[in-house]
Amino acid sequence: ILNVEQSPQSLHVQEGDSTNFTCSFPSSNFYALHWYRWETAKSPEALFVMTLNGDEKKKGRISATLNTKEGYSYLYIKGSQPEDSATYLCASQHDYKLSFGAGTTVTVRA
Amino acid sequence: DAGVIQSPRHEVTEMGQEVTLRCKPISGHDYLFWYRQTMMRGLELLIYFNNNVPIDDSGMPEDRFSAKMPNASFSTLKIQPSEPRDSAVYFCASRRTEATNEKLFFGSGTQLSVL
Repeated sequence: ILNVEQSPQSLHVQEGDSTNFTCSFPSSNFYALHWYRWETAKSPEALFVMTLNGDEKKKGRISATLNTKEGYSYLYIKGSQPEDSATYLCASQHDYKLSFGAGTTVTVRA
Repeated sequence: DAGVIQSPRHEVTEMGQEVTLRCKPISGHDYLFWYRQTMMRGLELLIYFNNNVPIDDSGMPEDRFSAKMPNASFSTLKIQPSEPRDSAVYFCASRRTEATNEKLFFGSGTQLSVL
């Protein structure tokens, strides 16, 4: 079991503000880093899968960066909207297995 | 494609009863995963299959849990006998082998309550 940690556990953001949060993972035997968005009463949906050190991916107002040498990834939300409210999960992949962090729950206040 | 389909959506049962959770992966996906979501442990991998063969069941909590995949389009997770501590959301997920870093597609989950 890989030790994947996410911080903070939860955060509140004012609509229109930007925010970011962290995922840390063991850098040894690294395969890939996944980000998923999990809305209440729905199933987790993939946002990004990153493999290379220095990778940056973007999807609309959400972007992510990856540092495999030091074992961390940041997820950024620019200009937060109420629909961004969700739990964001990161997962470190080893072989075909993913080990998930506990998630960061984002609540965007209108 | 309808996505990963799980049934039932909710299951309420009494301690000691047998529970069977079902999953239909996305057509063409050759990996299938069973996860359990709890407040204490988050999303934890129970078992995964490749081409219907169980590859790693090290996450299965104990002998009361068993999983099968008789064909490429169907898998079951069985708990017998069930206990209150088994109460959780159970997710099934599938993916392709096209690349090692393919994303997972999750089903809607089964909310299990054991009384």
